[in-house]
Amino acid sequence: EPEVTQTPSHQVTQMGQEVILRCVPISNHLYFYWYRQILGQKVEFLVSFYNNEISEKSEIFDDQFSVERPDGSNFTLKIRSTKLEDSAMYFCASSPEGSGGSDTQYFGPGTRLTVL
Amino acid sequence: AQSVAQPEDQVNVAEGNPLTVKCTYSVSGNPYLFWYVQYPNRGLQFLLKYITGDNLVKGSYGFEAEFNKSQTSFHLKKPSALVSDSALYFCAVRALHASGGSYIPTFGRGTSLIVHP
Repeated sequence: EPEVTQTPSHQVTQMGQEVILRCVPISNHLYFYWYRQILGQKVEFLVSFYNNEISEKSEIFDDQFSVERPDGSNFTLKIRSTKLEDSAMYFCASSPEGSGGSDTQYFGPGTRLTVL
Repeated sequence: AQSVAQPEDQVNVAEGNPLTVKCTYSVSGNPYLFWYVQYPNRGLQFLLKYITGDNLVKGSYGFEAEFNKSQTSFHLKKPSALVSDSALYFCAVRALHASGGSYIPTFGRGTSLIVHP
């Protein structure tokens, strides 16, 4: 069964450094998402991406964040200058269609980002 | 603003007994409701969703959930729990935001289900 994959599984970085989290969505999916989960807290939506542009973004997704689909398979989340509060589990998800909010999203295993 | 509440951090149940994981929501429009399960070191796996129609939704691994509009609830149930059902369960809601055109999802905090042998 096809799966969403994410690399690395754990990323440790120093405050102020740039990090890039990588995701490979399921190959025939068209919609891509990033979420984050701070330890012990809710899963929070960051951004959705379709047709090479951002569809929606939350208040969390400020100018420090960017997303890109550099080729036909990867979907990346970049944090330009990490802060301590960016420490969280970051999940990538994809879905075959948008369906106006009713689509089923398939999640990757997550990347745990630790900012020191 | 839409919200989801999972009032129990942890649910304990004996194997073979029925289980219920509770979820209530608050939205301004018609909700799309989802349940996901997360096993250790894995991503969220889709279990089931309510879009429209029959209030009782059946999903993967024998789970089902009942949409109750008057109580704004979407509790997850299973008639007979297995030890392998032990995991973290998340409820999520998506609804058209008042600002228009947005279905940004809101997740609950998660409920840890522990099934004892």
